Amino acid sequence: SYELTQPLTLSVSPGQTARITCSGDKLGEKYASWYQQRPGQSPVLVIYQDTKRPSGIPERFSGSISGNTATLTISGTQAMDEADYYCQAWDSSIVLFGGGTKLSVL
Amino acid sequence: EVQLVESGGGLVQPGRSLRLSCAASGFTFDDYAMHWVRQAPGRGLEWVSGITWNSRSTGYADSVKGRFTISRDNAKNSLYLQMSSLRSEDTALYYCAKDLRRVLDHRGTFDIWGQGTMVTVSS
Repeated sequence: SYELTQPLTLSVSPGQTARITCSGDKLGEKYASWYQQRPGQSPVLVIYQDTKRPSGIPERFSGSISGNTATLTISGTQAMDEADYYCQAWDSSIVLFGGGTKLSVL
Repeated sequence: EVQLVESGGGLVQPGRSLRLSCAASGFTFDDYAMHWVRQAPGRGLEWVSGITWNSRSTGYADSVKGRFTISRDNAKNSLYLQMSSLRSEDTALYYCAKDLRRVLDHRGTFDIWGQGTMVTVSS
């Protein structure tokens, strides 16, 4: 079955750039979305269709894709960006989520 | 204000049934596909089911296929999830989510989420 693989954790210092990866077979032929989930809150869409940013999402959030890997980049990471991040894609009419990456801003 | 409000969760015994509801407001409900996504305590997100804007097509995760049924009533701006033969592994917070598109396809993504309703399956 199809899987999306993310690193479990990532730590960055405030102001640094955080790059969260999501890998899956032929992911470059699909569309990847990214969601932010702060503790105790519902997920929020931050990137869709690989690179598009919904209105209201800060410009420091960007997405890219190359080969089998999609990447969520957070430039100038802030303390408020500390959260779990999930990638998502479709495969054979099924929606899949990555296991999630816990981003710590230390 | 765009809003999704889930209801219907609770404590239920294994093997029993439960029906979740999601009330939508602030957008044209029948213009979009809708989904249910769940999150077990301390775990990640898991897609459960989706339905097109006109109910003509539905999709289910393998883990719930044959036990859960998704439906919608566009006249009432409401989405439903009928859950039967519930198992302990169905224990989770169930989110209702709006798709950006009318149909279920690879460009679909979830742009609006509700606060969730908790389902606990235990004897």
